Amino acid sequence: QKEVEQNSGPLSVPEGAIASLNCTYSDRVSQSFFWYRQYSGKSPELIMSIYSNGDKEDGRFTAQLNKASQYVSLLIRDSQPSDSATYLCAVFNGYKLSFGAGTTVTVRA
Amino acid sequence: DTGVSQDPRHKITKRGQNVTFRCDPISEHNRLYWYRQTLGQGPEFLTYFQNEAQLEKSRLLSDRFSAERPKGSFSTLEIQRTEQGDSAMYLCASSLRRDVNTGELFFGEGSRLTVL
Repeated sequence: QKEVEQNSGPLSVPEGAIASLNCTYSDRVSQSFFWYRQYSGKSPELIMSIYSNGDKEDGRFTAQLNKASQYVSLLIRDSQPSDSATYLCAVFNGYKLSFGAGTTVTVRA
Repeated sequence: DTGVSQDPRHKITKRGQNVTFRCDPISEHNRLYWYRQTLGQGPEFLTYFQNEAQLEKSRLLSDRFSAERPKGSFSTLEIQRTEQGDSAMYLCASSLRRDVNTGELFFGEGSRLTVL
């Protein structure tokens, strides 16, 4: 079983729509959860962190965490062409950050 | 610029040669990580340091790989007797150990290795 699994992509959404990304993790002792954005040919960039159950909003991004279900999600509202990238879910267990394979999002103008 | 820097950005080598990558973390960060990423996959953990101590190595890291962080500052990752399967992007990241935020890693631009 993979440590972090993301919904398979690619995901194509029209400009202005909501992009919904999902992630599950296997280690129940995981402490903190992150979403990274990675543009093609670039390194990952941290965009959201969430540590407790519930929702966390930051601009057009909302992260949701449900530790009982071992589930993390990211919503991108009012999607823009500049949001076209691969989104990586990452889970921290105290010493290392484990990443999912990523979901590639394409926002159609 | 005070971000994580990596050198070289690109390296092309022949199978069997040794290569070394260098990473300079953000100055106040005490944790330093090495990851490897291949096309279509997320970054894969290789090893990490807290200050100068190497505290964890992935079981996937063969004996041909070695990493050092002398004096807790910059780090080097050496691959001996390279194989074509070593071709990947090698990412360095750093973080400041403080409670739950330790998982906020800041990545360098990576060193892309191509083994012919």
